[in-house]
Amino acid sequence: ETGVTQTPRHLVMGMTNKKSLKCEQHLGHNAMYWYKQSAKKPLELMFVYNFKEQTENNSVPSRFSPECPNSSHLFLHLHTLQPEDSALYLCASSQGETSQETQYFGPGTRLLVL
Amino acid sequence: QKEVEQNSGPLSVPEGAIASLNCTYSDRVSQSFFWYRQYSGKSPELIMSIYSNGDKEDGRFTAQLNKASQYVSLLIRDSQPSDSATYLCAVIRIAGGTSYGKLTFGQGTILTVHP
Repeated sequence: ETGVTQTPRHLVMGMTNKKSLKCEQHLGHNAMYWYKQSAKKPLELMFVYNFKEQTENNSVPSRFSPECPNSSHLFLHLHTLQPEDSALYLCASSQGETSQETQYFGPGTRLLVL
Repeated sequence: QKEVEQNSGPLSVPEGAIASLNCTYSDRVSQSFFWYRQYSGKSPELIMSIYSNGDKEDGRFTAQLNKASQYVSLLIRDSQPSDSATYLCAVIRIAGGTSYGKLTFGQGTILTVHP
């Protein structure tokens, strides 16, 4: 238990659906992250938020839309996804101050797009 | 060239042996280096971080960094079956402005420790 929770843990959606992934951290951190982990590919950074401001968008398609209403919550809104978007989506958090700080990962949401 | 490359594995070692995991990175200005462990079906957890050239030891784990060779390694002494997992090397590169958080991961090395 890292203090970072994610819901839902599993999600199956059709290409025309709209769904949202939720992440919450109870660590008092200021930075939150979305990562994508696909089979046989490295874990890939998608978005970075620090103090609710987006500081990194790693060329993510617009069908993924992040939202950070406060430093403790992070959402990833999904719409018109493709089957190749099926992956494990991981949320992480850290202090948001230095490059030497640890990122703590949530358990992930395993997404299947049909 | 991949930004962060790990020995492909899978790596299989007997219980009690030393497991050696290797990682190279392409960006010479990388400044922080991390080793994460990921059990099957679980999320990554940090086991070691290293920022300066040389060795850093924590229990059975030793991280080694050589910035001149752009190489970072993880040694696991007295390997146990519970060490069986995927080990991820991660690097923070300076990409202009704030560098925190911009982890780039290698593809991971699967380690199996057999009794």
